[in-house]
Amino acid sequence: NAGVTQTPKFQVLKTGQSMTLQCAQDMNHEYMSWYRQDPGMGLRLIHYSVGAGITDQGEVPNGYNVSRSTTEDFPLRLLSAAPSQTSVYFCASSYFRLTGELFFGEGSRLTVL
Amino acid sequence: AQTVTQSQPEMSVQEAETVTLSCTYDTSESDYYLFWYKQPPSRQMILVIRQEAYKQQNATENRFSVNFQKAAKSFSLKISDSQLGDAAMYFCASMDSNYQLIWGAGTKLIIKP
Repeated sequence: NAGVTQTPKFQVLKTGQSMTLQCAQDMNHEYMSWYRQDPGMGLRLIHYSVGAGITDQGEVPNGYNVSRSTTEDFPLRLLSAAPSQTSVYFCASSYFRLTGELFFGEGSRLTVL
Repeated sequence: AQTVTQSQPEMSVQEAETVTLSCTYDTSESDYYLFWYKQPPSRQMILVIRQEAYKQQNATENRFSVNFQKAAKSFSLKISDSQLGDAAMYFCASMDSNYQLIWGAGTKLIIKP
């Protein structure tokens, strides 16, 4: 059982480049989300989805785009990378978002030069 | 805005001893969930324990237990018989009115052999 799979694990970008962080889960979870983790801070929610075709913004959505065409996949797109987007990104999913019990991927470390 | 505060950036404990990690939160909700998550050096976040605010009994999971004081908005995590594998970052989180998690900045737990 793979759980939540994120790719790539590491990425270096130049300012202005675009890229997509992939996230897939095989647990048939309706709820999926993207967080960023910065030193000395808790996780901050970027975008989330409560089912295929439904997405919504979190606390820090600017500069990021998401889509949810299937239950399994929830990619995060950086439209024009900026150094402020240097961070570790986590994808997480849950069967019922009301319980808040999230299953996390291993994270993707992104550096923007 | 809802906040979660972990006042101890770092804690250390001797192996086999007991340690308590502090967490306070601020919410206007009457019913909510509280969580402790563990992030080991491998980075993947995993749920340690969960508390439902309407339940007065403190949650317990093996060596992990919480001291939930609703009036004081305090939610501390006690780890008994500390083991080397407990070394990690520990994050406290509360669920807001939009059913999203608000995270504390984390406490780094060091286990001394």
